[in-house]
Amino acid sequence: DAGVTQSPTHLIKTRGQQVTLRCSPKSGHDTVSWYQQALGQGPQFIFQYYEEEERQRGNFPDRFSGHQFPNYSSELNVNALLLGDSALYLCASSLDIYGYTFGSGTRLTVV
Amino acid sequence: DAKTTQPPSMDCAEGRAANLPCNHSTISGNEYVYWYRQIHSQGPQYIIHGLKNNETNEMASLIITEDRKSSTLILPHATLRDTAVYYCIVRGAGNMLTFGGGTRLMVKP
Repeated sequence: DAGVTQSPTHLIKTRGQQVTLRCSPKSGHDTVSWYQQALGQGPQFIFQYYEEEERQRGNFPDRFSGHQFPNYSSELNVNALLLGDSALYLCASSLDIYGYTFGSGTRLTVV
Repeated sequence: DAKTTQPPSMDCAEGRAANLPCNHSTISGNEYVYWYRQIHSQGPQYIIHGLKNNETNEMASLIITEDRKSSTLILPHATLRDTAVYYCIVRGAGNMLTFGGGTRLMVKP
């Protein structure tokens, strides 16, 4: 049973560019959350998608947006990249409010 | 969600029990205590969660004090592969997990 799959695993972008990260949830899971983890810190909640709608959002600017598709997969888009956006981006999926399964993340470097 | 306080780092000898403490003095009645761990360069891994009773699974045991203001995660026989950052999270009705700094556990041979 495949867990949460994220792509790409690593990415290098230039300041001002836009990036799209992708996530396929664990089989049977219908809810997807995105987290940003800066080096040496704990993950910070960006937003959560359920039934193709953004259900909850953390303290992140509008440059961060997302989408969920009918097959429950999800994308995270970041516009006008800043150096401070360099981080590990984690996707987590769940079926109920209790158990979250995390992917291994996408390491984004902005230069 | 209530805030948690954990020691930044701990050491444990291989084969011994690792006891990781967590303070959550502002926890409210409907908030659960969750533990996750993150091994270097991987996503966080769920370990265990509880409300008020002690819990045990194949990975660990969770001891919650009677007043629910603190808890302890116990890894009964730590191995080198248990070296990781352990996060204690208090979660209410909201859908997000609020991670703190966690405890960096180093298991030594």
